[in-house]
Amino acid sequence: LAKTTQPISMDSYEGQEVNITCSHNNIATNDYITWYQQFPSQGPRFIIQGYKTKVTNEVASLFIPADRKSSTLSLPRVSLSDTAVYYCLVGLTGTASKLTFGTGTRLQVTL
Amino acid sequence: GAVVSQHPSRVICKSGTSVKIECRSLDFQATTMFWYRQFPKQSLMLMATSNEGSKATYEQGVEKDKFLINHASLTLSTLTVTSAHPEDSSFYICSAGRTDTQYFGPGTRLTVL
Repeated sequence: LAKTTQPISMDSYEGQEVNITCSHNNIATNDYITWYQQFPSQGPRFIIQGYKTKVTNEVASLFIPADRKSSTLSLPRVSLSDTAVYYCLVGLTGTASKLTFGTGTRLQVTL
Repeated sequence: GAVVSQHPSRVICKSGTSVKIECRSLDFQATTMFWYRQFPKQSLMLMATSNEGSKATYEQGVEKDKFLINHASLTLSTLTVTSAHPEDSSFYICSAGRTDTQYFGPGTRLTVL
């Protein structure tokens, strides 16, 4: 499973756009990139998943360059409730595919 | 998204007792579920893969006789922590996959006194 590297922590003010970059130099051809959000004492919540280029949903955007060795999660206009840990995972999709969590990025949003 | 539930959400027990945690996929069937453990301020660590109708697969370093996993139906997996000790106190989280995405339960906080 590809190893991922993310910043340990980030700070942002409410209303700003936040971009969290994840490095995954050893990503395999069939690997997908998935981001999860976790609040304290809760299970991770799926945010977005992609394979290449750009993916957007109602919550976030995911940018993946052509070489796929990194990806950027973009959160538009964050609010205090976006304070959480964000995990970038790389691996096969499918119901039987194991996920390996890295350290994650602790995002702190303040007024 | 798909819903995965866990029960109980919180449990406190005495050292030496056994505790069972349930993980259910509420609106889909899951032949495979996963169990994770998370210590404070740390990331999730995969403990084992729960397979419906067959034995679970444990990650290296996880004691299979201590963490018993039963996946008796397509919507239910259970994790039993046998003879729990204070060092087993942790946040236990399960996940189940639906199409291409893993969905996680809300977690179970285990405290062993």
